[in-house]
Amino acid sequence: EIVLTQSPGTLSLSPGERATLSCRASQSVSSSYLAWYQQKPGQAPRLFLYGASSRATGIPDRFSGSGSGTDFTLTISRLEPEDFAVYYCQQYGSSPLTFGGGTKVEIK
Amino acid sequence: EVQLVESGGGLVQPGRSLRLSCAASGFTFDDYGIHWVRQAPGKGLEWVSGISWDSGSIGYADSVKGRFTISRDNAKNSLYLQMNSLRAEDTAFYYCAKGGGPMVSHRFDYWGQGTLVTVSS
Repeated sequence: EIVLTQSPGTLSLSPGERATLSCRASQSVSSSYLAWYQQKPGQAPRLFLYGASSRATGIPDRFSGSGSGTDFTLTISRLEPEDFAVYYCQQYGSSPLTFGGGTKVEIK
Repeated sequence: EVQLVESGGGLVQPGRSLRLSCAASGFTFDDYGIHWVRQAPGKGLEWVSGISWDSGSIGYADSVKGRFTISRDNAKNSLYLQMNSLRAEDTAFYYCAKGGGPMVSHRFDYWGQGTLVTVSS
């Protein structure tokens, strides 16, 4: 099983600032089958990025993803008020599919 | 518009069974794999099980293997999760999630709103 470790657990930032979220895998994620999801309180998760760097439909270009192998990053270039939420990474290249523990981006 | 609507959750005693359903619409159901993902209250996401478009490929998390069974009925655009021998640690919101392609190894591009399963005596 591929274990995904997200850091930091919580990121306290102000609107307009840059956010950098990390996702590290215990072994290489095949074909960069790495996705990022956003979840707000009381809501279902929403796909934001897939294939490590491709944005899902309707996701603004201030969100970008990078990385390969075991190290992946989600960057939000300038935080908007609606971006404060929990973000999860997921690998879907090998079974069992696994999620990271999440990074909460909160307003400072 | 893609819609996934889960049902069947509720309060159940430890050791008993429950069957969840997910009704899908707005896409060609039998072109895609589909999954169950759960989230204990206040906790993170856990993939439970996934099934390919033709039911030919199925996967389970170790935590549910041997107790849960996933199935689909393409004629009814529906996904199911039969949960047996339920434990307190199975208490969670259970989400149905559509895969981005026909097989199990795909991102989840649409999610339902979830159904709550509470296992307690």
